Amino acid sequence: EPEVTQTPSHQVTQMGQEVILRCVPISNHLYFYWYRQILGQKVEFLVSFYNNEISEKSEIFDDQFSVERPDGSNFTLKIRSTKLEDSAMYFCASNRDRVNTGELFFGEGSRLTVL
Amino acid sequence: DAKTTQPPSMDCAEGRAANLPCNHSTISGNEYVYWYRQIHSQGPQYIIHGLKNNETNEMASLIITEDRKSSTLILPHATLRDTAVYYCIVRVGGGSEKLVFGKGTKLTVNP
Repeated sequence: EPEVTQTPSHQVTQMGQEVILRCVPISNHLYFYWYRQILGQKVEFLVSFYNNEISEKSEIFDDQFSVERPDGSNFTLKIRSTKLEDSAMYFCASNRDRVNTGELFFGEGSRLTVL
Repeated sequence: DAKTTQPPSMDCAEGRAANLPCNHSTISGNEYVYWYRQIHSQGPQYIIHGLKNNETNEMASLIITEDRKSSTLILPHATLRDTAVYYCIVRVGGGSEKLVFGKGTKLTVNP
């Protein structure tokens, strides 16, 4: 069964450092997303991406965040200058189409710890 | 997107049916009901979705009341591996892309 893969599974970084989280969505999917979950809290939407541009973003997704699809397979989330409050699980998701389905396939997540 | 109300926790005996309720009294006519689950800290997993009619797949059944103000997710024969947080989400099909996760129901399947 095809799956969304994420790397790294866990990253520890110092406050102020740049972090790039990587995702390989399912190959024939067209819509890509990042969500995050701070420990013990809800899963929160960050951003959606389609046709090489952001289609929707949340208030959390400020200027410190960016997304990119540098080639035909990877989808990345960059945090330019990490803060302590960026510590969370980051989940990538993809789906083939968004019309009437809503069936998002999520990766296993990347745990980011900011010290 | 309409909000949903779920009990914070439920218990179920292994092998028995787990019935997870969800209230969505302000649901609009074009909003679908989706169910996802999250096992421990893994990524959320899609289970099932529906608009008006009851739905069944290999994982579960979804029963939606006629007035669409509530629904029930049924796991027919719960196993220990079904222990997870279950999220009921309403969303316009083809509309806003994001899924809005609430706190969900923590289902514990006991041996």
